[in-house]
Amino acid sequence: AIWMTQTPSVVSASIGDRVTISCRMDQGISKFLAWYQQKPGKAPELLIHTGSILQNGVPSRFSGSGSGTDFTLTISSLQSEDFATYFCQQYYRFPWTFGQGTKVEI
Amino acid sequence: QVQLVQSGPEVKKPGSSVKVSCKASGGTFSSYTISWVRQAPGQGLEWMGRTVPNFATTNYAPKFQGRISISVDELTRTSFMELTSLRSEDTANYYCAKEGGAGDYYFDTWGQGTLVTVSS
Repeated sequence: AIWMTQTPSVVSASIGDRVTISCRMDQGISKFLAWYQQKPGKAPELLIHTGSILQNGVPSRFSGSGSGTDFTLTISSLQSEDFATYFCQQYYRFPWTFGQGTKVEI
Repeated sequence: QVQLVQSGPEVKKPGSSVKVSCKASGGTFSSYTISWVRQAPGQGLEWMGRTVPNFATTNYAPKFQGRISISVDELTRTSFMELTSLRSEDTANYYCAKEGGAGDYYFDTWGQGTLVTVSS
């Protein structure tokens, strides 16, 4: 299985801050990476796929970059509704795997 | 727009089985792939397996091989996930999720989740 290291596990931030989350693979996955946001008690929601493509309806303050083994999710200006947990997921090779999650808190 | 609605919470004894359903509305059910993902309380996401209706194909994560069965009833537009030999570590929220399409194996639509509690 492809092992993923997502960092940091917790981010303490304020409204308006720029937040960056990293996801690193133990082997190359081209651009087959997605990012999800999950709020407490809710199912995850797709933010970005194929490394950098914004899902329909997702605000443009979210962006993704990277390919191969290193990927980044950036929130350019944190809003109150962005306090949540974020997960990366690779879909290059079975079994699909997820990062451990990053909680963005105040 | 596709929507996925899952069955209600379950409480099971260790050693028993659970079968969770996921009913789809909207879209062309026979054309899309449904995966099952679980999340233990306070933990991360874990992919369990998937079924591709058109090709009658299933893929399972090695961790669950032998204990999991994913099936589809195209008539009722429902996917089922059965997990056997339950243990306390299987206590989790179980989600069904639709993949984006051929080659797009990310999850663009999720069910609301089904809490399965395994306790004696």
